[in-house]
Amino acid sequence: QVTLRESGPALVKPTQTLTLTCTFSGFSLSTSGMCVSWIRQPPGKALEWLALIDWDDDKYYSTSLKTRLTISKDTSKNQVVLTMTNMDPVDTATYYCARKLVVTDAFDIWGQGTMVTVSS
Amino acid sequence: QSALTQPASVSGSPGQSITISCTGTSSDVGGYNYVSWYQQHPGKAPKLMIYEVSNRPSGVSNRFSGSKSGNTASLTISGLQAEDEADYYCSSYTSSSTHVFGGGTKLTVL
Repeated sequence: QVTLRESGPALVKPTQTLTLTCTFSGFSLSTSGMCVSWIRQPPGKALEWLALIDWDDDKYYSTSLKTRLTISKDTSKNQVVLTMTNMDPVDTATYYCARKLVVTDAFDIWGQGTMVTVSS
Repeated sequence: QSALTQPASVSGSPGQSITISCTGTSSDVGGYNYVSWYQQHPGKAPKLMIYEVSNRPSGVSNRFSGSKSGNTASLTISGLQAEDEADYYCSSYTSSSTHVFGGGTKLTVL
C-alpha cells in the first residue's frame, strides 16, 4: 500500500523559510520511473504545481516560483523535503505531496495535505 | 506557465451526462498525451480519475471518460450520481518539463 504524509509548521511568519517533509511508504524513490511532487492549494482556490524530484535526482520547478524553491530527497529515509524562502501571506495554502509515475505522467497517490498559514 | 482554462462550474441532473473542458496550448495539452483529471471533494485530497488523456486507473468507474482534440481536453461523466458532486481539475505536462493545472470546475448534481 502506497501512502504519503506531509509534515511541517502550521504557521510561519512573513519572510521566513518554510520547510516541509513528505514521508512515504510502499515504494522507493530509487526505483526507475518514480517521482514525488509538491502541489499547493490556497483556500478556495485551484491546485498549483510547485516542484518534482525523480529517482535519478533530477529536479523540476514551477517557472514562477523556482527562485524560492528547493526540493531534495533522502532515499534511505523515504522522505522528500521542500523548502520555500521568503514566505508571504499569499503563500497560505494546503501543501500536498504526491507520487508521480513517469509511465503514466499522473499524480496517482496523494498525501492528506498540510495547511500552512503565513501571518505575523 | 499559465493555468489551463476550465469552466468555473457545470451542473447536471442524476442520470445525465456532463462534459468539462480543459483548454491549453500546443506547449502543454496540445503537445502531449499527458493530460490527467482529478476529483476533489471538500476537505479531501485530489483523486486521480483519468491519466494519459483517456485511461482510467483501477477502481475508477467507467462512467468517467476522457478525450482530447487539439489544445482542448475533455472529461465526460455519464450517468451522473450524487457522489460525483465535487471539484474537478485537469493537469498537463508542459514543454518546460513542468506541470500545470487547470483552474478547476465545480460540478453540481441537481
